[in-house]
Amino acid sequence: KAGVTQTPRYLIKTRGQQVTLSCSPISGHRSVSWYQQTPGQGLQFLFEYFSETQRNKGNFPGRFSGRQFSNSRSEMNVSTLELGDSALYLCASSPGQPYSNQPQHFGDGTRLSIL
Amino acid sequence: AQSVAQPEDQVKVAEGNPLTVKCTYSVSGNPYLFWYVQYPNRGLQFLLKYITGDNLVKGSYGFEAEFNKSQTSFHLKKPSALVSDSALYFCAVRDDNNAGNMLTFGGGTRLMVKP
Repeated sequence: KAGVTQTPRYLIKTRGQQVTLSCSPISGHRSVSWYQQTPGQGLQFLFEYFSETQRNKGNFPGRFSGRQFSNSRSEMNVSTLELGDSALYLCASSPGQPYSNQPQHFGDGTRLSIL
Repeated sequence: AQSVAQPEDQVKVAEGNPLTVKCTYSVSGNPYLFWYVQYPNRGLQFLLKYITGDNLVKGSYGFEAEFNKSQTSFHLKKPSALVSDSALYFCAVRDDNNAGNMLTFGGGTRLMVKP
């Protein structure tokens, strides 16, 4: 079974631009979560989607948004990029309800660098 | 609210010696607890979970963890460390009172196993 696939793996942008990151979950998984990992703040939850609906949202500004498609693939978008948005963005999938005690499985992330 | 603390930024052990990586948590309901490992330039790999049942949980690569409700701890252990165990370890918690799969992570503990 293929794992969680995130594209692209690396991305370089400049301040003020916008970016879209993509995540393909494990086949059959309906829940997709996004996390931001930085040396200073650690791993922080961005949002979770289940059956195309946002189920939870972390404490991030509105510049961060996401969506999920009917095939469970997910994208996140960051607009008006700031230097502080430089981070590793991780996507994780799990079967979702009613299997909510199942672990999330992570992709290798997209490393976003803002110049 | 759910929170996790990993009190040690770094743990150093000699190969062949037992290792312990500490984790304490706080939830309002019952905890779902997880350990993940991260190698350089990779995402998080699932090691083990505690949902309910036996307090001693066995996971991948010879790791195990002990759930202690009275001390709100979930320490990761391995009887005999390998150099290849050197990596970044994260403890995570989800409160079963919260809908969805949002995980809260500790700050991570860097394990260094010396030959």
